[in-house]
Amino acid sequence: QVQLVESGGGVVQPGRSLRLSCAASGFTFSTYGMHWVRQAPGKGLEWVAVVSYDGGNKYYADSVKGRFTISRDNSKNTLYLQMNSLRAEDTAVYYCAKDKGDEYYYDSSGFYYFDYWGQGTLVTVSS
Amino acid sequence: DIQMTQSPSTLSASVGDRVTITCRASQSISTWLAWYQQKPGKAPKVLIYDASSLKSGVSSRFSGSGSGTEFTLTISSLQPDDFATYYCQHYDSYSGTFGQGTKLEIK
Repeated sequence: QVQLVESGGGVVQPGRSLRLSCAASGFTFSTYGMHWVRQAPGKGLEWVAVVSYDGGNKYYADSVKGRFTISRDNSKNTLYLQMNSLRAEDTAVYYCAKDKGDEYYYDSSGFYYFDYWGQGTLVTVSS
Repeated sequence: DIQMTQSPSTLSASVGDRVTITCRASQSISTWLAWYQQKPGKAPKVLIYDASSLKSGVSSRFSGSGSGTEFTLTISSLQPDDFATYYCQHYDSYSGTFGQGTKLEIK
């Protein structure tokens, strides 16, 4: 069965960096796009970033562009989110999510809906 | 960037009621829209994709409709397990923008 397990969250001071990981299993990781989505305490879902199945295309929300970097290691079935210059407003539960569309779907139509999610990891930015 | 706006933000209803949640896109998105349900402390779960396709395993009490800029999620007869927060999401080649959410509360 598909499993996505996030790790790397914690308390960090403003301006510092943190790297999140998402370990994937139960599917062919290298053929699906992967997303990060966050949810601030008591707030709604905010899409953060996406990486295509081969790592060749990456897109970001304006709120994190230039500060966050999404990447993947298909040999390790792992997704990453490098977060730099963290701000208080980055405090949230961060979820990784699997795109429903495989490499063939992506090449013809782009990204699709999210069919599996991890349990989330909490990032708190505070001095 | 395309913005997604849901209404209402909060909806109070009773078991057995039929309810409708609306999602509007700032420009036409064809039918590139999904609906998710989220319960407190849990990850979201997809209910509907491509605006009107029911995800396998999801109750047929849920249905979606619309295209272009206006979409609806309808729950035909509310059950106790349906009280949750619902989000619409537009997906395309570059992002996966969510609406702000609709909290469905017990009246």
